[in-house]
Amino acid sequence: ELKVEQNPLFLSMQEGKNYTIYCNYSTTSDRLYWYRQDPGKSLESLFVLLSNGAVKQEGRLMASLDTKARLSTLHITAAVHDLSATYFCAVDPGTYKYIFGTGTRLKVLA
Amino acid sequence: EPEVTQTPSHQVTQMGQEVILRCVPISNHLYFYWYRQILGQKVEFLVSFYNNEISEKSEIFDDQFSVERPDGSNFTLKIRSTKLEDSAMYFCASRPSSSVGTGELFFGEGSRLTVL
Repeated sequence: ELKVEQNPLFLSMQEGKNYTIYCNYSTTSDRLYWYRQDPGKSLESLFVLLSNGAVKQEGRLMASLDTKARLSTLHITAAVHDLSATYFCAVDPGTYKYIFGTGTRLKVLA
Repeated sequence: EPEVTQTPSHQVTQMGQEVILRCVPISNHLYFYWYRQILGQKVEFLVSFYNNEISEKSEIFDDQFSVERPDGSNFTLKIRSTKLEDSAMYFCASRPSSSVGTGELFFGEGSRLTVL
């Protein structure tokens, strides 16, 4: 059974600081997705990573994928309060189900 | 921009009652999904649906649950004899065929189910 784990589960950081969220998964996959969820809201797609070495950037967020290590990272640069949310990675193992990670709840303090 | 729509946004029901949650996927999408999220917890896969049949289902998706695509636009999740632990947010998602797009799932706004 595919397992997808994220760490940290909770992250409280000061504005202006950098940090990285890690997503590890247990089986082979070339496709990984990052989503953002605000409290009480739906899941918003952030990044689509479709091959080993893929790197995507949008604003202060950058995501990368290492399929050999079964690891994806979401790097936050110079955090701002608006980035406060829960971030999920999701893995597509090539079947008809996408498995979500445990989620990382990010709080950026002013 | 096309979007996945879900109704109702919130439903309160008594334990033991049946509920139907409705979803209208994006019109040219072929794969449909239901996920569940208990408050503050992870997003759990329930079932996927393609070509008018279930493609995969999780252990959570037992005989209490069923899905249907009754017409060309709606995709429903039926929960029979609801239990307290069925209280959660239920998300519908869809995506186009594998040869089109990136495999990204597009989510609806969710239906919050409260079982009393």
